[in-house]
Amino acid sequence: GNSVTQMEGPVTLSEEAFLTINCTYTATGYPSLFWYVQYPGEGLQLLLKATKADDKGSNKGFEATYRKETTSFHLEKGSVQVSDSAVYFCALSAAASSGGSYIPTFGRGTSLIVHP
Amino acid sequence: DTGVSQNPRHKITKRGQNVTFRCDPISEHNRLYWYRQTLGQGPEFLTYFQNEAQLEKSRLLSDRFSAERPKGSFSTLEIQRTEQGDSAMYLCASSFPGSHEQFFGPGTRLTVL
Repeated sequence: GNSVTQMEGPVTLSEEAFLTINCTYTATGYPSLFWYVQYPGEGLQLLLKATKADDKGSNKGFEATYRKETTSFHLEKGSVQVSDSAVYFCALSAAASSGGSYIPTFGRGTSLIVHP
Repeated sequence: DTGVSQNPRHKITKRGQNVTFRCDPISEHNRLYWYRQTLGQGPEFLTYFQNEAQLEKSRLLSDRFSAERPKGSFSTLEIQRTEQGDSAMYLCASSFPGSHEQFFGPGTRLTVL
């Protein structure tokens, strides 16, 4: 079946540090890939997405590149801010089986804590 | 339209009782999803509607769980004979036709005593 594996958190960084959160996946066919973010006390919201190999999704300074050869979609940001503190979820949307409906699959989430 | 809404936001019930949650998606969205999320985990897919048709249902969804979307707009998720293991956040999300990008509601937190 489809699955998403994220690095375990929490990830603790100082402000302006470089961020990488690793995400790898297993999926049927050609999935679409997503990063969602959940700020404290709020619902999940889409951060960025990529729908085919070598696509780069970007938003708010975050980037992730769809790497089919390594089945990865790592999240990066060059300089984090305190306001980036949140839980980040890697997700994919792929057919559960050949010809089946597209079922979303989420990783466990990685908590990011940024200190001033 | 201000986004996906869910009611109630919190529900405390005793084991064995039935509970029902409601989700109102963004009006133009024809797809609606239900998830369960427990502490330290990502959302776990439960079921999915396209318009009023329930197209997929997770094997994790026991017979005590049922979902409906009678007119292709709002949806309800009912849990019968609740168990303590049902305690979780229940999330609803919706998406535009042809898109896999989902918009999430704030969730309903269920506590079963």
